[in-house]
Amino acid sequence: DTGVSQDPRHKITKRGQNVTFRCDPISEHNRLYWYRQTLGQGPEFLTYFQNEAQLEKSRLLSDRFSAERPKGSFSTLEIQRTEQGDSAMYLCASSEKQGAVGGYTFGSGTRLTVV
Amino acid sequence: AQSVTQLDSQVPVFEEAPVELRCNYSSSVSVYLFWYVQYPNQGLQLLLKYLSGSTLVESINGFEAEFNKSQTSFHLRKPSVHISDTAEYFCAVSRGGGGSNYKLTFGKGTLLTVNP
Repeated sequence: DTGVSQDPRHKITKRGQNVTFRCDPISEHNRLYWYRQTLGQGPEFLTYFQNEAQLEKSRLLSDRFSAERPKGSFSTLEIQRTEQGDSAMYLCASSEKQGAVGGYTFGSGTRLTVV
Repeated sequence: AQSVTQLDSQVPVFEEAPVELRCNYSSSVSVYLFWYVQYPNQGLQLLLKYLSGSTLVESINGFEAEFNKSQTSFHLRKPSVHISDTAEYFCAVSRGGGGSNYKLTFGKGTLLTVNP
């Protein structure tokens, strides 16, 4: 297992288009997280899955955002009707049952640019 | 809710010099504290963490951080830096104990640049 994989690495889209990102966590990790990092800021929590259940969503996650983790394996994050303010690095992380205590393993992120 | 303040956005140092990256946190409950490092074009990697016990924690590559509850600080130090330590460093906090300790709150990061 080579770690957490995210696809694509970069995405440029026109305002108003829909985009979908994929995250493949470490296979034995049952917890998965999405964070967003804008320029000059630290990562901000978006949402958290334990297996296939989405247990928490941040208020940052507007109705245009939806995340899924079917079968408790990979996860997708979809943004509908993208806006320029959605431009950011979207980070996925996974962990074992200890949560943050055991330390997250982060992917390299998907950089979204909305033009 | 927790918050983290990293007092320096950029820290330039010369190779083999000591460095301290400052981090202060705010929380009304007990916390766990973390330092993550992000090298260019890579994901964040856990550098070290404080959960409980000894207030001084060390990483395998020579960094150390000390938890100071009275000053609500968790500063990161290294006595002698290398060019390869050039990266962005993020301090983070989560709620301590059981329950919702899965969520990290990050600071804005400190860019450490080590010059020859």
